[in-house]
Amino acid sequence: ILNVEQSPQSLHVQEGDSTNFTCSFPSSNFYALHWYRWETAKSPEALFVMTLNGDEKKKGRISATLNTKEGYSYLYIKGSQPEDSATYLCAFNTGNQFYFGTGTSLTVIP
Amino acid sequence: NAGVTQTPKFQVLKTGQSMTLQCAQDMNHEYMSWYRQDPGMGLRLIHYSVGAGITDQGEVPNGYNVSRSTTEDFPLRLLSAAPSQTSVYFCASTRQPDRVFEQYFGPGTRLTVT
Repeated sequence: ILNVEQSPQSLHVQEGDSTNFTCSFPSSNFYALHWYRWETAKSPEALFVMTLNGDEKKKGRISATLNTKEGYSYLYIKGSQPEDSATYLCAFNTGNQFYFGTGTSLTVIP
Repeated sequence: NAGVTQTPKFQVLKTGQSMTLQCAQDMNHEYMSWYRQDPGMGLRLIHYSVGAGITDQGEVPNGYNVSRSTTEDFPLRLLSAAPSQTSVYFCASTRQPDRVFEQYFGPGTRLTVT
């Protein structure tokens, strides 16, 4: 069993604030690091998949970076909006096995 | 294109009963998997399949059986339900371009075992 840790566990920010979360994972047997957005009563939706050390991905106001040597990834949200409120999950896969963190719950206050 | 479908959405079982959670995908993905989600814990992999006729265990396989007779379907069987199996179950279907796994999740099945 491989441990994937996310911090913080939860976060409340004001609309317009920028924020970031951390995902830590084992740096051995690395295939890919995944970020998902999970809204209440829905299923997780993929945001990014990153495979190479130094990878940076961006989708609108959301971006992510990857450091496979030290085993961490950051997710950034610029100018948070109420519709960004969700749980953000990261997952690390070694070949066929996936290991998920417990997520960061983001609430954006209007 | 329905994506990943799961049935039922909700189920209540008594201890010792058996049932099958259904999962189907129409994206022609080879890799499919089952997860359970419990409060305070991340999604945990129960079983996965890399193609028809091939299945393997994940992190928490005990009490569950799977089979994969077709590419489209990947049912999860609870042989003798226990209260510890009360959870939300998600099926995922995964695209694998260049060994990078892109997962698509079903809507989930909420199971309560009394």
